[in-house]
Amino acid sequence: QKEVEQNSGPLSVPEGAIASLNCTYSDRVSQSFFWYRQYSGKSPELIMSIYSNGDKEDGRFTAQLNKASQYVSLLIRDSQPSDSATYLCAVNKNTGNQFYFGTGTSLTVIP
Amino acid sequence: DAMVIQNPRYQVTQFGKPVTLSCSQTLNHNVMYWYQQKSSQAPKLLFHYYDKDFNNEADTPDNFQSRRPNTSFCFLDIRSPGLGDAAMYLCATSRDRRSPGDEQFFGPGTRLTVL
Repeated sequence: QKEVEQNSGPLSVPEGAIASLNCTYSDRVSQSFFWYRQYSGKSPELIMSIYSNGDKEDGRFTAQLNKASQYVSLLIRDSQPSDSATYLCAVNKNTGNQFYFGTGTSLTVIP
Repeated sequence: DAMVIQNPRYQVTQFGKPVTLSCSQTLNHNVMYWYQQKSSQAPKLLFHYYDKDFNNEADTPDNFQSRRPNTSFCFLDIRSPGLGDAAMYLCATSRDRRSPGDEQFFGPGTRLTVL
């Protein structure tokens, strides 16, 4: 079983819509959760982190964490073509050093 | 600006010819990581340093080695690159692996091509 699972997509949404990206993780001891954006040929860029159950909002981005369901999501409101990228979910157990990454979800925002 | 720097950005080598990739950081972070990322795949952790403490992932091939001469620099050595080693190599840092909420920051990556 993979540590982190994401739907690879591709996910397409029209400009201005809400994009919803989902991630599940297998180990309940996981403590910290991250969303990275990766443009083609570029390195991952941290956009959100969340550590407690509930929602965390930062501009157009909202991260949601449900530890009981081992589920973390990212909502992008008012999606823009510049949001088109692969979004990587990462999990840190804080019992060691490893950040476990999902394979990413490819998002395309259609103008 | 504090950052993670990787050199070179693009590296071409021949099959079997040793190659060294470098990473430096101005964040003064304790932990430095090396990842390999192939197309449409998740970054795969090769190894990491916590200060001078080296941690190798169990499935990292012996062909890959690393050095961290000081806090700021870390090197990835590929002793005999094969065609399967062509990938993006990502260096990342974090302040303290055991700290809740510790975040990981990536350099721009080095794209390795093996001919």
